[in-house]
Amino acid sequence: RKEVEQDPGPFNVPEGATVAFNCTYSNSASQSFFWYRQDCRKEPKLLMSVYSSGNEDGRFTAQLNRASQYISLLIRDSKLSDSATYLCVVDGGATNKLIFGTGTLLAVQP
Amino acid sequence: DTEVTQTPKHLVMGMTNKKSLKCEQHMGHRAMYWYKQKAKKPPELMFVYSYEKLSINESVPSRFSPECPNSSLLNLHLHALQPEDSALYLCASSQGPGGPREPQHFGDGTRLSIL
Repeated sequence: RKEVEQDPGPFNVPEGATVAFNCTYSNSASQSFFWYRQDCRKEPKLLMSVYSSGNEDGRFTAQLNRASQYISLLIRDSKLSDSATYLCVVDGGATNKLIFGTGTLLAVQP
Repeated sequence: DTEVTQTPKHLVMGMTNKKSLKCEQHMGHRAMYWYKQKAKKPPELMFVYSYEKLSINESVPSRFSPECPNSSLLNLHLHALQPEDSALYLCASSQGPGGPREPQHFGDGTRLSIL
């Protein structure tokens, strides 16, 4: 089983749609969780950290379920500029590293 | 604009060449990282420096040699690379002592091609 699993997509959605990405992680000792976005041929950029209580930043909402070891990202009112790969990132617990999921590709269509 | 600066942006080198990748951050971060990323794959950790000391080497071949001259700078020295080493090399930094509790901030990378 992979340490961090994501549906690779692609997710093709029309502008204005709501889209949700899911991620599961295997290490119950993980304490920190992040979503990054990566545009084609660019570096990963931090989108948001994920907190136990859930958190929202504009059109983006992140949720964490520690019992199920599950993280989600909801994007409302999708924009063309949201097209990117979304990386679920989890700390490796005692390994002192960040573990990256393989990413989910989102393509927002006009 | 990224706060982690990497140079050069692109590098083409032969298998016998020696070159260096450079990374600089002025955020006062005490942990710095090198990653390698192949197309359509997530970044793979290579090295971690914490307070200017190497804390993690992910069994990287010795043809890659990291160096941390001071808390703001991180270099990756390259020698006798193979074609399969062609990739995007990303530098990142984070605030703390190399622990994963806080997010990492990435530079825009060096795209390396080995002929």
